[in-house]
This record gives sequence, C-alpha cells and structure tokens, in this order.
Amino acid sequence: DVKVTQSSRYLVKRTGEKVFLECVQDMDHENMFWYRQDPGLGLRLIYFSYDVKMKEKGDIPEGYSVSREKKERFSLILESASTNQTSMYLCASTLDRPYGYTFGSGTRLTVV
Amino acid sequence: GQQLNQSPQSMFIQEGEDVSMNCTSSSIFNTWLWYKQDPGEGPVLLIALYKAGELTSNGRLTAQFGITRKDSFLNISASIPSDVGIYFCAGQGRDFGNEKLTFGTGTRL
Repeated sequence: DVKVTQSSRYLVKRTGEKVFLECVQDMDHENMFWYRQDPGLGLRLIYFSYDVKMKEKGDIPEGYSVSREKKERFSLILESASTNQTSMYLCASTLDRPYGYTFGSGTRLTVV
Repeated sequence: GQQLNQSPQSMFIQEGEDVSMNCTSSSIFNTWLWYKQDPGEGPVLLIALYKAGELTSNGRLTAQFGITRKDSFLNISASIPSDVGIYFCAGQGRDFGNEKLTFGTGTRL
C-alpha cells in the first residue's frame, strides 16, 4: 500500500514563526498536494506539484509556499505564521488518474 | 476555487438505519470519488466512479455517478457505530492531465 507520511501530528507555533510541514510518499508518485481542512469549509487546495521542482498555486496559496526538491518529498512552508493559519493540514499524492488520492494522517497546527 | 455542494452537512442516526448523502456541482466531472475521514486521520478512499450512470458497491456502501455528470450519491445500509466520521465527495475534471480534485464540504455522520 502507498504510504503518505506527515512528519508531525500536532504542532504549536508562535505568530510570526516560519513553519515547515513535511510530507513524504513511498510509491514514486508524480503528483503531490497540500490541503487545509477547516470545519464547514471542507478541503481547500493550497499548492500542488506534478513533478520535482515544479509547483502550482491552488485555491488559497496566500501566506504559503512549497518546495519539491525530491520526488518523494513535498514541503509546505508558512513564511510568517498567523493565527488564521491554525488548521488541519493534509498532504496527498497520486500516481495518475483515475486512482484518486492517498492522504497522510494530517498535521494539526495551532498558531498562538 | 470551486467547491461541491454536499448535503446533508450532518446526520444523527440510529444503528441499523440506512444513510443517504449527495453531492452536486455546476461543472461536469469525469470521475467521482467518495472518501471517509475518521477522527484525527486523513481521508481514506471508499469508492471511485468513472462512468456516468455507474453504480458501484463496496460492502454496505453503494455510490452512483449521476447521468448528468454533475452529481453523485452515497448510500450506507444498516449503519454501525464504526460508520461514524466525515464523508467527502470529490470530483475530478475533464481536462486531460488535470489531477486536481475538487472536494465537497463534507457530511458528518
């Protein structure tokens, strides 16, 4: 089975800190995604990547950046964390259509 | 960005009852997917639908790809306590090579 691993389950950071969320997949998937999940809003796409060193903005990229230096690793960066970035962050990967995504277990980030 | 309209938002049911939820979109999708998220975990794929009109089952779960390609339905029969969680629909668009999924807002069971 494909495994998507997110490095932290829970994080607490201070406002203004630079925050790194790491995601690793072990099945050589081309496509990787970062979502945030908030009650009543479902899953919203922040950034995605179809290949190494490639990135595209999703629906809510403001305040975030990403890095994909290796195929298996996709990092989400909060340049200067703010309280409105408190959320559950989910990483996902997929080989190709029509297989759907495999998600990691999520990182619950609290910014205080 | 686009989101799918998913209903109901939440449901309280008795064990043994059947459950129905649906998802509608203003856009046509080529693929519909249904995910379940347990508390504290990421969503897990339940059922994938690839053709308009397709009806697919996975145990007590049955999902249908609407004829118009703009909607999908999920039914759970004879619900049990472990069915509790959040159910998300997701649609994948017609653009070739576009792997992005659009997600519904979820149904909390």
